[in-house]
Amino acid sequence: QKEVEQDPGPLSVPEGAIVSLNCTYSNSAFQYFMWYRQYSRKGPELLMYTYSSGNKEDGRFTAQVDKSSKYISLFIRDSQPSDSATYLCAGNSGGYQKVTFGIGTKLQVIP
Amino acid sequence: GAVVSQHPSRVICKSGTSVKIECRSLDFQATTMFWYRQFPKQSLMLMATSNEGSKATYEQGVEKDKFLINHASLTLSTLTVTSAHPEDSSFYICSATPPGRRGDEQFFGPGTRLTVL
Repeated sequence: QKEVEQDPGPLSVPEGAIVSLNCTYSNSAFQYFMWYRQYSRKGPELLMYTYSSGNKEDGRFTAQVDKSSKYISLFIRDSQPSDSATYLCAGNSGGYQKVTFGIGTKLQVIP
Repeated sequence: GAVVSQHPSRVICKSGTSVKIECRSLDFQATTMFWYRQFPKQSLMLMATSNEGSKATYEQGVEKDKFLINHASLTLSTLTVTSAHPEDSSFYICSATPPGRRGDEQFFGPGTRLTVL
């Protein structure tokens, strides 16, 4: 079993839709969770960083963590074609501990 | 701020040759940098942790004699793929954490695509 499971997609949505991206993880020691956006042939860009369970909002993006079910989500409101990218979820137990990534979900927002 | 660069962005080499990839933190000093490898349709896999002034720490299954890491300064880490083979063809990405940030808040370089013929 992979430590971080993520549906690779692709996920296609019309412009303006609310996008829901999800991951599950198996490592109970994970305390910190991240979402990265990766455009084709580019390095990942940190989008959201959260600690433990709860919600965090930043503009059109909301990250949710439910540690009881080991489930993490990223919501994108009013999706734009420029949001088309691969979104990677990740987790770690803190500090300089190894960050474990999911495979990434490819999102396409259609104009 | 928190910009990480890599050079080259793409390299094609013949089997058996060695290739050096540079990772630089442009606007901050990084005592620790990370090297990842990403195969198509697979997740980012940590290869090694590069520590300024000391030996790198390699993940299980990564050959340290094949993937040589040198963290010579607080802004530069290099990864040398020695005697490259076609199976080493991959997307190599480095990352670093600026001072004052948590160690897991990593900022990534743009990646280097290596193709070994």
